[in-house]
Amino acid sequence: QQQVKQSPQSLIVQKGGISIINCAYENTAFDYFPWYQQFPGKGPALLIAIRPDVSEKKEGRFTISFNKSAKQFSLHIMDSQPGDSATYFCAAISPSSGSARQLTFGSGTQLTVLP
Amino acid sequence: NAGVTQTPKFQVLKTGQSMTLQCAQDMNHEYMSWYRQDPGMGLRLIHYSVGAGITDQGEVPNGYNVSRSTTEDFPLRLLSAAPSQTSVYFCATRQRTDEQYFGPGTRLTVT
Repeated sequence: QQQVKQSPQSLIVQKGGISIINCAYENTAFDYFPWYQQFPGKGPALLIAIRPDVSEKKEGRFTISFNKSAKQFSLHIMDSQPGDSATYFCAAISPSSGSARQLTFGSGTQLTVLP
Repeated sequence: NAGVTQTPKFQVLKTGQSMTLQCAQDMNHEYMSWYRQDPGMGLRLIHYSVGAGITDQGEVPNGYNVSRSTTEDFPLRLLSAAPSQTSVYFCATRQRTDEQYFGPGTRLTVT
């Protein structure tokens, strides 16, 4: 059972445009929602994260929007650049995983920003 | 400070062979994990450790063994490789925050 559903699978955006990636979750116990960025041949790296007590978090061109009632969160990349071309994963952590605090990942979105 | 290192970067095995994927970290992090990444499936947790001498199973543990004798090292052993274990394997670590640091990965092909 996939607890975090991510869409779209792939996304092509023109340089300067807005990239939007969506995730929906089922487990209302999740209390931490990170986004990871992965370049080809590299491991994922934390991009930005949010906790459910806020509805939005912004870091530079990257913004997470969080809708607790709808159990959805999304990543917005403003002024998208070719260097943003990568695979993006949403994820979530549940307190029920105890001290391990393990991540449940979405399936990933391959973003291509055209020059 | 190398962070998280993984060896080898690439490996080809024949069905039935065994091998160990190495993971080492120099950040003195308590928590270490192994994930596998398959197309369209994100990353799935194989095994994890909350400290030296303590390991537990994740979502997809079958066919894999781990041990944690030191804080720095967390090897993943494939006992009898199967084509279904063809994947990219990532080791990750974290300290007491929720931010995980991933290694560069090992691409494994089982023929």
